[in-house]
Amino acid sequence: GENVEQHPSTLSVQEGDSAVIKCTYSDSASNYFPWYKQELGKGPQLIIDIRSNVGEKKDQRIAVTLNKTAKHFSLHITETQPEDSAVYFCAANPGGSYIPTFGRGTSLIVHP
Amino acid sequence: DSGVTQTPKHLITATGQRVTLRCSPRSGDLSVYWYQQSLDQGLQFLIQYYNGEERAKGNILERFSAQQFPDLHSELNLSSLELGDSALYFCASSVGAGDEQYFGPGTRLTVT
Repeated sequence: GENVEQHPSTLSVQEGDSAVIKCTYSDSASNYFPWYKQELGKGPQLIIDIRSNVGEKKDQRIAVTLNKTAKHFSLHITETQPEDSAVYFCAANPGGSYIPTFGRGTSLIVHP
Repeated sequence: DSGVTQTPKHLITATGQRVTLRCSPRSGDLSVYWYQQSLDQGLQFLIQYYNGEERAKGNILERFSAQQFPDLHSELNLSSLELGDSALYFCASSVGAGDEQYFGPGTRLTVT
C-alpha cells in the first residue's frame, strides 16, 4: 500500500518568515495530494490540494509543489502569522482509490 | 465550520462497553468516511460509505462496525472497548466518492 513520509515533525518560525513542509510518497500511481490544517480541538481542514497533472498550485500565501518523478510534494507558507500555528497533514491518494494515506503531521509554531 | 456535525463531542466509558458515534454529512454530500486519530498511529482510515453502501474498508477492527442510513447520516459502533480504543474519531464527507473530504469536529473517546 501507499506510504507517506512527512518532515519535519516540528517547525518553529518567526512571524513573517516562510515555512516549508515536505512529504514523500511510495505509490507512483497516486494522483491526488491534499493538505490539511488541524487546529487544537478541531477536525482537519482542507487548505489546498494538487492533482498529478499539475506541478504547482497557489492560493494567497499558500502554495503546493509536486514532483512526480521524485515522488515528493511540499507545502509552502509565506509571510507566516501566529494564526498559522497548527498541525499540518499531507496525504496521497493511491491510484484507483479515493482514500488518502496521511503523513504523521507537522506541528508548525509561529512566534509573534 | 465544515458543515459536518458529530455527536457526542466527548465520551467516557469503561472497558468492555459499547458506544455509538454519530455523524451528519454536509448537505448534499453522499459519501461519509470514518477515521481514528491517536498519538501513536496518526490519522487512520476506518471505513467509507457512499449513498448507503459500504465503498471501502481500511484498518477497521472486527469489534467496530458502521452504517449509513437513508437520510445519509452515519453511525460508527464500537464494542468490547479496550483501553487502546481511546482516540479521536473523525467523520468526513464528500459530494462523491472521490471528491474533496470535509472533516467534522470529532468525538473524543476515553476508555477507562
